[in-house]
Amino acid sequence: EAGVTQFPSHSVIEKGQTVTLRCDPISGHDNLYWYRRVMGKEIKFLLHFVKESKQDESGMPNNRFLAERTGGTYSTLKVQPAELEDSGVYFCASSQIGEYFEQYFGPGTRLTVT
Amino acid sequence: GDSVTQMEGPVTLSEEAFLTINCTYTATGYPSLFWYVQYPGEGLQLLLKATKADDKGSNKGFEATYRKETTSFHLEKGSVQVSDSAVYFCALSGYGQNFVFGPGTRLSVLP
Repeated sequence: EAGVTQFPSHSVIEKGQTVTLRCDPISGHDNLYWYRRVMGKEIKFLLHFVKESKQDESGMPNNRFLAERTGGTYSTLKVQPAELEDSGVYFCASSQIGEYFEQYFGPGTRLTVT
Repeated sequence: GDSVTQMEGPVTLSEEAFLTINCTYTATGYPSLFWYVQYPGEGLQLLLKATKADDKGSNKGFEATYRKETTSFHLEKGSVQVSDSAVYFCALSGYGQNFVFGPGTRLSVLP
């Protein structure tokens, strides 16, 4: 069974540009989460989808970040326009309904904004 | 709000040494506690967990005990191997609540 996959693995963009990160959860996992780790600090929650609906987006830092999960399968996280402080590693995780603690994480996308 | 504090490292040990990575937390209610590990080039993996006070989580030779009185969940291993080199994250969560992670501790084990 394939794990959670994320694309790209690394992205380098200039301040002001737009970047879209993609996450493919484990097949059948209705829960999908986005997290990020900035500058080697703690990993912070961004948002949680249940199927295609946003269950909790309290961790989204500002309106430059837009997450979507059309059709309840893969998800995208768009940053527009990117700022220097957005640099970090963005993790995606998925879990089955009712298995909140059993989140499976992807390898992360390292975003560098110059 | 809830928070997790852990020793930031890096921690460098020789093979077969004893490992302790300290983790303390602040939380309302009675969260579950976790240790996640990230090996180079891979995603986070759940290493072990404990869901209530005095529970001991264990996996791959690692252990951690949920200590409510000291609000701690220290990770230990009696004899580390080179393959244990990774970043270790302590985390907490209430059911249905968001995970709160510590900053991570990088462990390097030398042969």
